[in-house]
Amino acid sequence: DADVTQTPRNRITKTGKRIMLECSQTKGHDRMYWYRQDPGLGLRLIYYSFDVKDINKGEISDGYSVSRQAQAKFSLSLESAIPNQTALYFCATSDLAAPYYGYTFGSGTRLTVV
Amino acid sequence: AQSVTQLDSHVSVSEGTPVLLRCNYSSSYSPSLFWYVQHPNKGLQLLLKYTSAATLVKGINGFEAEFKKSETSFHLTKPSAHMSDAAEYFCVVSDGNNNDMRFGAGTRLTVKP
Repeated sequence: DADVTQTPRNRITKTGKRIMLECSQTKGHDRMYWYRQDPGLGLRLIYYSFDVKDINKGEISDGYSVSRQAQAKFSLSLESAIPNQTALYFCATSDLAAPYYGYTFGSGTRLTVV
Repeated sequence: AQSVTQLDSHVSVSEGTPVLLRCNYSSSYSPSLFWYVQHPNKGLQLLLKYTSAATLVKGINGFEAEFKKSETSFHLTKPSAHMSDAAEYFCVVSDGNNNDMRFGAGTRLTVKP
């Protein structure tokens, strides 16, 4: 099994619908992150969580919300999806040593909003 | 705040020839620097990292990168490209604050037979 698992892998949804992307990890890391990837823009941070009670906005949090249900689970919600939220979404985890060891990424969720 | 610029959005090389992917960074502090690779329909995999130890860093699959503080660069190289190296590569900078890792826009590497 993968260390960081994202579900679903692909999703097509309609404008205005609520959608949840899920992430679970077996790394035992306290820190979890949600990024979106757009062509030519690299990865941008949406939300991050340093533990179950600590959730913080990233640089592009508008239109998104998150829930840290447990140390191993971090979900991303789009309350009312819009077409410009079409992107590839990545979940990542790290421990305290992330500045030295980097992140572990999931395989991504490709979301299309029509 | 730190930032990173990948100087080429697309690099094309022939199999067996050297690879050079360029990255310049900006950071107020002593940075940690990373290169990640993303193969099609896959997640990001860590290639190598610089964390203030040796300035020449060796990674997986024959890649290496050299940290040059005077040039604020961290270019990724490989002596001989392989078809399996075709992927997108991301340079990442961190100033040590865990939530502030900045990604470059990516460089797509194409390897021709």
